[in-house]
Amino acid sequence: NAGVTQTPKFRILKIGQSMTLQCTQDMNHNYMYWYRQDPGMGLKLIYYSVGAGITDKGEVPNGYNVSRSTTEDFPLRLELAAPSQTSVYFCASSDYGTVNTEAFFGQGTRLTVV
Amino acid sequence: AQTVTQSQPEMSVQEAETVTLSCTYDTSESNYYLFWYKQPPSRQMILVIRQEAYKQQNATENRFSVNFQKAAKSFSLKISDSQLGDTAMYFCAFMATSGTYKYIFGTGTRLKVLA
Repeated sequence: NAGVTQTPKFRILKIGQSMTLQCTQDMNHNYMYWYRQDPGMGLKLIYYSVGAGITDKGEVPNGYNVSRSTTEDFPLRLELAAPSQTSVYFCASSDYGTVNTEAFFGQGTRLTVV
Repeated sequence: AQTVTQSQPEMSVQEAETVTLSCTYDTSESNYYLFWYKQPPSRQMILVIRQEAYKQQNATENRFSVNFQKAAKSFSLKISDSQLGDTAMYFCAFMATSGTYKYIFGTGTRLKVLA
């Protein structure tokens, strides 16, 4: 099993550009999450989804959008990139109610906005 | 709203010694899970140990164990016989079992194991 796969691993964007961070999981998990990690700030929840077609805002959703058309995929869209969105982004999935209650993470995307 | 606090931004320990990382949390929930994740320089988030709040017995995984004090809302991680490979960021996380199953993370503790 590949687990949670994020692409790309690194990206440099210019201010005002847009991009989509891809996330896919092959564990048939219902719950998926997007976090951003800034130095000294831990992981902050951007958006999450409890199943296909259902998404909701987390702590820091401004400047981002998500969709969940399938169980496997949960892309994160950045519109009009700003320097404040420079961060490391993590996608995660979980399936509470099974033995595995923990979140499984992708390897992260380091995004720099210049 | 739930919060998770890690009050030690950085710690160091000599190889083979024991170190304890602190974590406190705030919640009004009665049922929840607590986790410790390790993030080495590779950036990958790796589960170290998990604790279910309804279980009184502290979880252990080889050299890793927790001290879970539910009344005090405290969840510390003890690493015994520290190894150079334990050098990493460690994050404490909370997940309530009611509602939307969001994971709330602390700000992390950077642990350095010294040779």
